Amino acid sequence: NAGVTQTPKFQVLKTGQSMTLQCAQDMNHNSMYWYRQDPGMGLRLIYYSASEGTTDKGEVPNGYNVSRLNKREFSLRLESAAPSQTSVYFCASSDLVYTFGSGTRLTVV
Amino acid sequence: GENVEQHPSTLSVQEGDSAVIKCTYSDSASNYFPWYKQELGKGPQLIIDIRSNVGEKKDQRIAVTLNKTAKHFSLHITETQPEDSAVYFCAVSETRYKLSFGAGTTVTVRA
Repeated sequence: NAGVTQTPKFQVLKTGQSMTLQCAQDMNHNSMYWYRQDPGMGLRLIYYSASEGTTDKGEVPNGYNVSRLNKREFSLRLESAAPSQTSVYFCASSDLVYTFGSGTRLTVV
Repeated sequence: GENVEQHPSTLSVQEGDSAVIKCTYSDSASNYFPWYKQELGKGPQLIIDIRSNVGEKKDQRIAVTLNKTAKHFSLHITETQPEDSAVYFCAVSETRYKLSFGAGTTVTVRA
């Protein structure tokens, strides 16, 4: 099925650990995004990649890094996880219309 | 980013009644206004969108209206059904690359 695939779906980290969230899309979209969703705050943009080879900061980039590996894949890395990064993370891709993945629920203890 | 306010935060309606959600935005340069529906455990899905050169758009039981002068747009759901129960998000785009989202409205349709 065409769409955006995120892995893993669930993850528990200890404070200070690192991890990478993976995202891949098969719709040949140029642009890809990482959002976080917290209760009562909607979705906030962390980083985005307008096209292969470019990345830019969004609204809440601190504590995160990204890599646009190729046109299909866009990963999000937490170098030293903090409890404030407990959230649900969504990857999306777009040309004119956004398509979201099903999310990664991350808990940092 | 763009400041998007969404009201109400929760909405309970009787099956068959209408539901209306309103969003306001701050940047007059915004030109794309989508609405997303998010069901439990899933990612947001686009249900309808409107661009700044159109005042109203309808798709079956769902409609969106845009007032650019007042900088607000609304989602209208008519003849609500239990499957309309979900969280709805409005969003605004300043450029084609970034969306700014409202905080969401939890809609519950009572049978």
